[in-house]
Amino acid sequence: GESVGLHLPTLSVQEGDNSIINCAYSNSASDYFIWYKQESGKGPQFIIDIRSNMDKRQGQRVTVLLNKTVKHLSLQIAATQPGDSAVYFCAEKMSGQNFVFGPGTRLSVLP
Amino acid sequence: DAGVTQSPTHLIKTRGQQVTLRCSPKSGHDTVSWYQQALGQGPQFIFQYYEEEERQRGNFPDRFSGHQYPNYSSELNVNALLLGDSALYLCASSYTQGNSGYTFGSGTRLTVV
Repeated sequence: GESVGLHLPTLSVQEGDNSIINCAYSNSASDYFIWYKQESGKGPQFIIDIRSNMDKRQGQRVTVLLNKTVKHLSLQIAATQPGDSAVYFCAEKMSGQNFVFGPGTRLSVLP
Repeated sequence: DAGVTQSPTHLIKTRGQQVTLRCSPKSGHDTVSWYQQALGQGPQFIFQYYEEEERQRGNFPDRFSGHQYPNYSSELNVNALLLGDSALYLCASSYTQGNSGYTFGSGTRLTVV
């Protein structure tokens, strides 16, 4: 498949370890945030979302943390698996506007 | 339930030519957004269509135009292609009355030579 990104920041983690991917968002008025996963040759896939009235949300093996004070978003993946290898994007949205994507982080899971 | 489908998957065009990319939204979705994703970057918003009209537009020149049909499917047209238009073009659909994220298609990889 095609490569999504050749020069992205890369996070390498050992299989079974926890991963933390960080994102600095740009607009303090953004009120909705999503983490997307993009595998080679595919479009972005929804992982988890969070609204600005929350600071933490948990899904299956994933947790998103939102710090509005410093405009920071993080994605935590527990017990990282080879299938988690992909590029991860955070996306922010203001009400009535479209999603703005961050530059992405490549997660590489080592055996 | 089919998700978002895009066609073609790959396309090679020559500078100066015109191209049309197609998108069928997920069943139940009425809004279509188009994004351009250059290699190594996040998707950049081109425009959004709802009720057959362009509702919002990103920072893209008029060479980029679109259309939405009554069945909610959409087209992206790019005229006078430049080498810099080479990218993955993503279509995303959503339900305008919902307040959630988009469902993305797998994209069309456009190469301009």
